[in-house]
Amino acid sequence: ETGVTQTPRHLVMGMTNKKSLKCEQHLGHNAMYWYKQSAKKPLELMFVYSLEERVENNSVPSRFSPECPNSSHLFLHLHTLQPEDSALYLCASSQFQGLLNTGELFFGEGSRLTVL
Amino acid sequence: EDQVTQSPEALRLQEGESSSLNCSYTVSGLRGLFWYRQDPGKGPEFLFTLYSAGEEKEKERLKATLTKKESFLHITAPKPEDSATYLCAVQAATNAGKSTFGDGTTLTVKP
Repeated sequence: ETGVTQTPRHLVMGMTNKKSLKCEQHLGHNAMYWYKQSAKKPLELMFVYSLEERVENNSVPSRFSPECPNSSHLFLHLHTLQPEDSALYLCASSQFQGLLNTGELFFGEGSRLTVL
Repeated sequence: EDQVTQSPEALRLQEGESSSLNCSYTVSGLRGLFWYRQDPGKGPEFLFTLYSAGEEKEKERLKATLTKKESFLHITAPKPEDSATYLCAVQAATNAGKSTFGDGTTLTVKP
């Protein structure tokens, strides 16, 4: 495996279900991100983890719960979602250098979520 | 608040017809401006980073330039395989780790 891999690629869930999205990066990076991409809207940053510590939580509803057990893995746990949460969820990684960040994000192919 | 505006929203070109995409930005101290390419159903792919006004980067038929207020992505003699959505993002010097994205420009190149 190379780059950033996300599973599942497609997910359909009801509003009462609990599911998780998984992301794994094979680039040796120390920062990982969750972005949400909805139709006709720019990419929205949800969470940032640097060295496994959450450094950004962009006012995301609590029905989205991230987990970063190590620098290579990132999860997004989903529960009691709403239809408006249907979107493409993108995981990305980058290399943090202290307070600096090279900025270049390496994205996975995304998980397409549909909430019924 | 950092802002990124891309234009046009969509661009249709004939193969070989050169053009430019625009990215206007406002940011409190630019750390970097980034261009990405996104194909349908896939995640964005990093293309370029520009750090200061006057800087230029090239890759095949693409050339990115930067001024203090905007960036251009010039496409020279495009081919159908250049069809994609091109995203621009900025990162502020005071907000490491957070990239603000524009809506993107969807480019279609007809053979």
